Amino acid sequence: SAVISQKPSRDICQRGTSLTIQCQVDSQVTMMFWYRQQPGQSLTLIATANQGSEATYESGFVIDKFPISRPNLTFSTLTVSNMSPEDSSIYLCSVPQASGEQYFGPGTRLTVT
Amino acid sequence: KQEVTQIPAALSVPEGENLVLNCSFTDSAIYNLQWFRQDPGKGLTSLLLIQSSQREQTSGRLNASLDKSSGRSTLYIAASQPGDSATYLCAVSYTGNQFYFGTGTSLTVIP
Repeated sequence: SAVISQKPSRDICQRGTSLTIQCQVDSQVTMMFWYRQQPGQSLTLIATANQGSEATYESGFVIDKFPISRPNLTFSTLTVSNMSPEDSSIYLCSVPQASGEQYFGPGTRLTVT
Repeated sequence: KQEVTQIPAALSVPEGENLVLNCSFTDSAIYNLQWFRQDPGKGLTSLLLIQSSQREQTSGRLNASLDKSSGRSTLYIAASQPGDSATYLCAVSYTGNQFYFGTGTSLTVIP
């Protein structure tokens, strides 16, 4: 099974600033996913990050707000731009396995003040 | 829009009790369904994956069943322990990649 790490594990940021979250996988994967979990809510998919092409965003999420990079098959970043308190959430990356099972990173807990 | 619902939202049981968590989904044409566990402030731990062609999967004290025709899955936990206290999430996929998550069941097992 894939081992996924995320940095930072948590951060407290000022309104109007940006934070870049890193996701590292110990094996090469074609697709990586970014999810958001707002307080008391379940997970919502932000976008799918494919290596070598632009990310595909879900309804309600835009590239200007959540730019994503995917420079290689083991790494991706998600930036939360021009943050507001409503962006306070846990952000998680995930990768699918050949079995169809989805593995998640430990998450990044973001608080915007 | 794909909707996944979990009932109950919260559950509190004494240690040793067997329990059932429920998950329902609106579109029965799923590719697979996965159950996760989430501890407070943490990421997700995969518990069980059921392919669309399967009826159930077992891992230790956990058993997950799938009834596609009725759009339902259940997670059975036998002989519950305080360490089982967590939020349990079910998620369905229609493509094998993107997952749609339920709202979760918060389980507390009382010693």
